[in-house]
Amino acid sequence: SQTIHQWPATLVQPVGSPLSLECTVEGTSNPNLYWYRQAAGRGLQLLFYSVGIGQISSEVPQNLSASRPQDRQFILSSKKLLLSDSGFYLCAWSTFTPDEQYFGPGTRLTVT
Amino acid sequence: GQSLEQPSEVTAVEGAIVQINCTYQTSGFYGLSWYQQHDGGAPTFLSYNALDGLEETGRFSSFLSRSDSYGYLLLQELQMKDSASYFCAVRDSNSGYALNFGKGTSLLVTP
Repeated sequence: SQTIHQWPATLVQPVGSPLSLECTVEGTSNPNLYWYRQAAGRGLQLLFYSVGIGQISSEVPQNLSASRPQDRQFILSSKKLLLSDSGFYLCAWSTFTPDEQYFGPGTRLTVT
Repeated sequence: GQSLEQPSEVTAVEGAIVQINCTYQTSGFYGLSWYQQHDGGAPTFLSYNALDGLEETGRFSSFLSRSDSYGYLLLQELQMKDSASYFCAVRDSNSGYALNFGKGTSLLVTP
């Protein structure tokens, strides 16, 4: 069966510090991968998605970036965090059909 | 662009039936998905409708009317554990692989 891992679960970082969140998927090959952000009490905002190694599509301009160095690894990064980057970051995967997505446990990021 | 509307809050009694509606405006519509999210947790996939009609999965059913740009999630025999947020999401020819999520409906099940 497929499993998706995200770490860390929680993170507190000062403004201006770098960020690296990692997501890995097990039990499937060539998944579509997605990064979402959810502000408190709000819906999910798609940040990036990837349909293959090295292929990244950005949905929202921001100071975040994503990379997919391996088939089942997806990384979300920032060089300098802003207060507005606080939120719940969720990684998800799907097969070639994006309508059915499976989410990781998420990382709760607080920028202070 | 896309827009989705769903009620922000719904309250229902344990054992009852509740319907959560979702209306959307989009072009080149592909399908409507539903996700459940408990407080502090990650969303979980519930159902997907690409064609008109009703899809049933246990206590949950989802309906789509493409001509009305409307769908709903029906939860039967409500249980306390069904208290959660429910999101509808759509994809269209402009969004490609991206799902556009609604703002979510917070369902509270009371004894």
